[in-house]
Amino acid sequence: AQTVTQSQPEMSVQEAETVTLSCTYDTSESDYYLFWYKQPPSRQMILVIRQEAYKQQNATENRFSVNFQKAAKSFSLKISDSQLGDAAMYFCAYRRGRGYQKVTFGTGTKLQVIP
Amino acid sequence: DGGITQSPKYLFRKEGQNVTLSCEQNLNHDAMYWYRQDPGQGLRLIYYSQIVNDFQKGDIAEGYSVSREKKESFPLTVTSAQKNPTAFYLCASSMGGQVMGGYTFGSGTRLTVV
Repeated sequence: AQTVTQSQPEMSVQEAETVTLSCTYDTSESDYYLFWYKQPPSRQMILVIRQEAYKQQNATENRFSVNFQKAAKSFSLKISDSQLGDAAMYFCAYRRGRGYQKVTFGTGTKLQVIP
Repeated sequence: DGGITQSPKYLFRKEGQNVTLSCEQNLNHDAMYWYRQDPGQGLRLIYYSQIVNDFQKGDIAEGYSVSREKKESFPLTVTSAQKNPTAFYLCASSMGGQVMGGYTFGSGTRLTVV
């Protein structure tokens, strides 16, 4: 079974600084997708960024970028120029390849942004 | 606007009572899912459905039941057999498996046993 591990239950960052959230996963598949979701205090889950395993280039969405290390099965999220609105729970998630839709989530990292 | 609607936002259940959580989507998504969220445990899959009139158990299906009679609707019933139902429940949907994408989530239902 696939597992997703987030080893940092809580993190903090100063406003305008950069923070990196860690995620590792375990799979024997070669075709899969990885995601980072954000859950603010409203508890509405929001997709932040996604990465296809067959792509070597790291995904980027504005201030959010990932460091995808396929061999190491590592998928970290970097948030640049942190803003107060970035404070939330962040979940790393994994999905097997096309035709298979079930997503496995990590336990989450609570990010605090300090003004 | 398209999206997923979960109702009610808060729900209280007495011991031994069944309750049903509603999930409706107007995104024309094929697949729908129910997750349970507990502190420190992330999201755990209860049931999922990829097409109408078909659904599969997830990792923690015991004490829950679902139906998928319409593409738009995927209600979850928490039965009296569920020993610890107090949790936050999230419904999600996604397009068919040929499209790479994540989920669209509803805003959740907080269920409390009283």
